[in-house]
Amino acid sequence: YELTQPPSVSVSPGQTARITCSGNALSKQYAYWYQKKPGQAPVLVIYKDNERPSGIPERFSGSSSGTTVTLTISGVQAEDEADYYCQSADSRGTYVVFGGGTNLSVL
Amino acid sequence: EVQLVESGGGLVQPGGSLRLSCTTSGFTFDNYAMSWVRQAPGKGLEWVSAISASGGTTYHADSVKGRFTISRDNSKNALYLQINSLRVEDTAVFYCAKGIAAAGVGDWFDSWGPGTLVTVSS
Repeated sequence: YELTQPPSVSVSPGQTARITCSGNALSKQYAYWYQKKPGQAPVLVIYKDNERPSGIPERFSGSSSGTTVTLTISGVQAEDEADYYCQSADSRGTYVVFGGGTNLSVL
Repeated sequence: EVQLVESGGGLVQPGGSLRLSCTTSGFTFDNYAMSWVRQAPGKGLEWVSAISASGGTTYHADSVKGRFTISRDNSKNALYLQINSLRVEDTAVFYCAKGIAAAGVGDWFDSWGPGTLVTVSS
């Protein structure tokens, strides 16, 4: 089972970045999103498709449609430059799977 | 404050073994499932293993079955990963991650440690 993400997304500061994640089990399982910067541990930015943890800026949001989930970052800031990973589980809930990651560049 | 700190990484020859540890504090350890996740240099995150809160159920990625064993000591608030028959491709930063429920692997990780580097090389 795989989750598919685009390798890279580039936006200018202030623009909106959208990062997609596709997988057959996403219609049955929730998706979660993490921000990963070099040398740092991953940080959860979205859980249960569209819930935002406390402390995460409101510009981060999530949505789901069928077998695709989307992380949207509105009004992108330079500090948002990072790798973003989606995570879910197989349809039986027996193993965890991560997407391949998307590098967000803020030009 | 939840804290997770990994240790036990280092340089090991192919075929060797290591035992990684994750010491925890700031939460009721035996209420939560825990996982190990790794990241090889220049690669993405890869889930490795998970264990239920009681320790009674374990899950392993197909890529490590038979070589990696996850365990926990709830009396010490500690998580472990025994890694045997190490391969060059096992070189990675290994993170321990806290789940949000007692069992299963369908939930998210709300806390992570800083990671410990395992380098497999001759």
